[in-house]
Amino acid sequence: AQSVTQPDIHITVSEGASLELRCNYSYGATPYLFWYVQSPGQGLQLLLKYFSGDTLVQGIKGFEAEFKRSQSSFNLRKPSVHWSDAAEYFCAVDGGGGADGLTFGKGTHLIIQP
Amino acid sequence: NAGVTQTPKFQVLKTGQSMTLQCAQDMNHNSMYWYRQDPGMGLRLIYYSASEGTTDKGEVPNGYNVSRLNKREFSLRLESAAPSQTSVYFCASRLEIAGAYEQYFGPGTRLTVT
Repeated sequence: AQSVTQPDIHITVSEGASLELRCNYSYGATPYLFWYVQSPGQGLQLLLKYFSGDTLVQGIKGFEAEFKRSQSSFNLRKPSVHWSDAAEYFCAVDGGGGADGLTFGKGTHLIIQP
Repeated sequence: NAGVTQTPKFQVLKTGQSMTLQCAQDMNHNSMYWYRQDPGMGLRLIYYSASEGTTDKGEVPNGYNVSRLNKREFSLRLESAAPSQTSVYFCASRLEIAGAYEQYFGPGTRLTVT
């Protein structure tokens, strides 16, 4: 069965500093990987996705993520965070078969310090 | 093109009451999903439907029933609501092109059971 681990429950970053959110997955083949962001009381917004090809993917709002097969990781990065980036971030994996749906990590809560 | 729509947006139920959450998509997707989101748990799959008339249990199906009467609509029913079903419920449909699977989420239904 596929699984996703986000090791950091909370992360605090100063505004303007760089950010890296960690995501590790467990899946037998190459998965389809996603990062979502959720602001308080809101729905899910897709930040970026990896299907195949270039292992560095660019997303919206200045985010990027790198797929590393050898480390089973798909970490999310941003060079300079803004106060508006404060939110909950979810990493998710789709095994391709459909029946398992998306398997989500438990999320990382990002706090931005002024 | 509305994407995935859910009704209602908010609902308060008393223990033992029943209700149906409605979901519809206008993207002609075959697969549809119901997830629940609880604090610190990420999203977990309740039920999945690969096509009209077919449904399968996900990770947390107990206490729920679903119905997929046509391609557009996938409803989730709580026959006898319990406080443990207080959650945010998300419906999703899945784009299925080989090598590019992506789920599209509705805005969510916030359910409180007292």
